[in-house]
Amino acid sequence: DTGVSQNPRHKITKRGQNVTFRCDPISEHNRLYWYRQTLGQGPEFLTYFQNEAQLEKSRLLSDRFSAERPKGSFSTLEIQRTEQGDSAMYLCASSPKPLTGVLNEQFFGPGTRLTVL
Amino acid sequence: EDQVTQSPEALRLQEGESSSLNCSYTVSGLRGLFWYRQDPGKGPEFLFTLYSAGEEKEKERLKATLTKKESFLHITAPKPEDSATYLCAVRSGYSSASKIIFGSGTRLSIRP
Repeated sequence: DTGVSQNPRHKITKRGQNVTFRCDPISEHNRLYWYRQTLGQGPEFLTYFQNEAQLEKSRLLSDRFSAERPKGSFSTLEIQRTEQGDSAMYLCASSPKPLTGVLNEQFFGPGTRLTVL
Repeated sequence: EDQVTQSPEALRLQEGESSSLNCSYTVSGLRGLFWYRQDPGKGPEFLFTLYSAGEEKEKERLKATLTKKESFLHITAPKPEDSATYLCAVRSGYSSASKIIFGSGTRLSIRP
């Protein structure tokens, strides 16, 4: 399978615990994005990497959230001291380096569904 | 502030009954508008990118059109397998390098 993969697919945790999610993008894609999606809403942008550099973070990303992309390959998203409001689907997407004048579509993974009890 | 509004929130159609989904947007300099399909429990799947008013793109039973204020996703003679949530997203000229803003989606249900 050459698509974006995410692990785990589901995570149930207790409030206050730390969780970490992994995203493996499509191999030739240098751009990687994290989104959060709650029921009945569209995905909300969290952060974006170009290779290993984190170039933008949303205001939604509190200091309890941190993302890394070492070596510009896979990425991890960690949430510390989870709260019930963190319950959501966390989506990862990747896209290739854009050609001039073209907006490349983002290819999404299946997501990690987080439930905080 | 950039904003995307989709309507209706939900749409139930009989198989073969054609209809349109609407995406209204307010952005500072539209760079592109995307349509995605999302099945329950899965990530969004890319359908189309539209760049300028008057542009149209087609794929099977779907056709996307773009004006200066909105986009329509027309579905012709839908089948039950077209049931999904359809998401619209925009990229503005003044946003960051790759940030796109999604609408809340239209949940489409096709009855056999």
